[in-house]
Amino acid sequence: EAQVTQNPRYLITVTGKKLTVTCSQNMNHEYMSWYRQDPGLGLRQIYYSMNVEVTDKGDVPEGYKVSRKEKRNFPLILESPSPNQTSLYFCASIGLAASSYNEQFFGPGTRLTVL
Amino acid sequence: EDQVTQSPEALRLQEGESSSLNCSYTVSGLRGLFWYRQDPGKGPEFLFTLYSAGEEKEKERLKATLTKKESFLHITAPKPEDSATYLCAVRHSSASKIIFGSGTRLSIRP
Repeated sequence: EAQVTQNPRYLITVTGKKLTVTCSQNMNHEYMSWYRQDPGLGLRQIYYSMNVEVTDKGDVPEGYKVSRKEKRNFPLILESPSPNQTSLYFCASIGLAASSYNEQFFGPGTRLTVL
Repeated sequence: EDQVTQSPEALRLQEGESSSLNCSYTVSGLRGLFWYRQDPGKGPEFLFTLYSAGEEKEKERLKATLTKKESFLHITAPKPEDSATYLCAVRHSSASKIIFGSGTRLSIRP
């Protein structure tokens, strides 16, 4: 089954404690992306990656890091989380092959609370 | 500045009452306009991609159309199970960023 998985699904942490949210896709997609979703602000792109070892900033990259060492994985790292990073996070991937060009699959979401 | 604006913010319809959702955009070089459906607590679900003005795509009771400045999602004879938030997004050609609108919350009453 084609899917994007994220872990953990729910996380409560404290200010300053480093955390990583994992993301993995099984569709051999080149493009992967992280978003945060906040009430009234919609989905905002944090970082994206066009391929292995290639990452770029989205609209709200401050306070986040990513890496793309393997095609299937795209972890999101918060080195020193702050309360304003409390949000619902989604990982997504897009196929660039002709048969599924631009069809973006989303993971189930990670609800993060930073106290 | 690249921008995506959706209207209305919320729409309540009676079952069977057709309507349209609007997505207006300003982007430097459109590389695709996307529509998604999102149910509460879940990730968005892909519906359509449109690439050029005049293009139309259909899926069940939904039809998406595109002009040079906006896209419409037409819902024909909706059912309660069509209730969801509908999101519009654009991808522009100079970078590969994707920009989402804030969505339209659609509620269909039986």
